[in-house]
Amino acid sequence: KQEVTQIPAALSVPEGENLVLNCSFTDSAIYNLQWFRQDPGKGLTSLLLIQSSQREQTSGRLNASLDKSSGRSTLYIAASQPGDSATYLCALFRNAGNMLTFGGGTRLMVKP
Amino acid sequence: DAGVIQSPRHEVTEMGQEVTLRCKPISGHNSLFWYRQTMMRGLELLIYFNNNVPIDDSGMPEDRFSAKMPNASFSTLKIQPSEPRDSAVYFCASSFGGGSYNEQFFGPGTRLTVL
Repeated sequence: KQEVTQIPAALSVPEGENLVLNCSFTDSAIYNLQWFRQDPGKGLTSLLLIQSSQREQTSGRLNASLDKSSGRSTLYIAASQPGDSATYLCALFRNAGNMLTFGGGTRLMVKP
Repeated sequence: DAGVIQSPRHEVTEMGQEVTLRCKPISGHNSLFWYRQTMMRGLELLIYFNNNVPIDDSGMPEDRFSAKMPNASFSTLKIQPSEPRDSAVYFCASSFGGGSYNEQFFGPGTRLTVL
């Protein structure tokens, strides 16, 4: 059974800092991986989708990487801003159907 | 595009009552998912429809939970009878899945409180 872990559960950084959020998974036979952002009391906003054949995806200040052999994905946020404060979740597509298995999330606080 | 629409946004009910949550997926999407989010268990998939047909309902916790998708633009998740432990945020998501694993788009969620 695929397990998805995100460490740390919470992270606080000063504004302007570059940071990396980690996502690890137990089964390397994954399909795509999706990173989401969730603001308090809100739904999930899709940030990036990495196809299983890709190594990374970029969108603005965000860069997500995927290393299936080591069971890891990272989300790099450049020049962090207070508006980046939210919970970030990674989710893996299972190998049967389009179903996602979510990690527990990392709660990010960027201080001005 | 309006995105995934869910109603109601908040629901407070008493134990034993029937609860119906509603979802309208993004137009043109053919896959629909119901998730539940709690502090203890995080986000869990409850059921997944493709082309209005339930594909996997292994995440549905008990027979008290049922879901339907009568057409491509509407789905319901029903809990009958509701219990306090059903209190959670319920999310609906949709995607265009043609056999591959495509980006899912989430609705704003329904926060359910069962007293």
